[in-house]
Amino acid sequence: DADVTQTPRNRITKTGKRIMLECSQTKGHDRMYWYRQDPGLGLRLIYYSFDVKDINKGEISDGYSVSRQAQAKFSLSLESAIPNQTALYFCATSDPGTEGQETQYFGPGTRLLVL
Amino acid sequence: GDSVTQMEGPVTLSEEAFLTINCTYTATGYPSLFWYVQYPGEGLQLLLKATKADDKGSNKGFEATYRKETTSFHLEKGSVQVSDSAVYFCALSDLILNQAGTALIFGKGTTLSVSS
Repeated sequence: DADVTQTPRNRITKTGKRIMLECSQTKGHDRMYWYRQDPGLGLRLIYYSFDVKDINKGEISDGYSVSRQAQAKFSLSLESAIPNQTALYFCATSDPGTEGQETQYFGPGTRLLVL
Repeated sequence: GDSVTQMEGPVTLSEEAFLTINCTYTATGYPSLFWYVQYPGEGLQLLLKATKADDKGSNKGFEATYRKETTSFHLEKGSVQVSDSAVYFCALSDLILNQAGTALIFGKGTTLSVSS
């Protein structure tokens, strides 16, 4: 079984709809992240959480919100989806380890299309 | 702020050819450097990493050396295979000020296509 799972894997929605992307992990890691990937732009950080009570904005948080329901679950919400939020979304986890050396483990991604 | 620049693709090679994907970085501190690989339809997975200057990361025949003097971390493989076709991302760990941890800064990715 995959260590980091994301649901749904694909989603089509309409402008103005609220949508939630979910991420679950069985690695026991405290740190979780949400990124979006756009062609030619690489991955950009949306939000991150270093423990259940810690939520922080990343580089491109506008239009998004998150919820850390438990150590294993980190959800990303688009309150009112717009077409330029069409992208591939990745959840990742990491364990602190030695500062700066931690490896991030990625889920398989959610492909979102906003019409 | 910190940033990563990697060569634009796509890179198209024949099987058994030599591969180099260039990566340079800008950082105020001493980041760790990573190469991640994304196979078609999958998420990213760590390929290799180096945590200090002159370290060499290696895995699956790929290598990269952390060069502080040239701020580079170029990915190389002596003989590529069709199964190496994927998107490769260079990344650095960025210390998040006032936070107890780091986040990754990614390059834009380089698509590698290997034909038999």
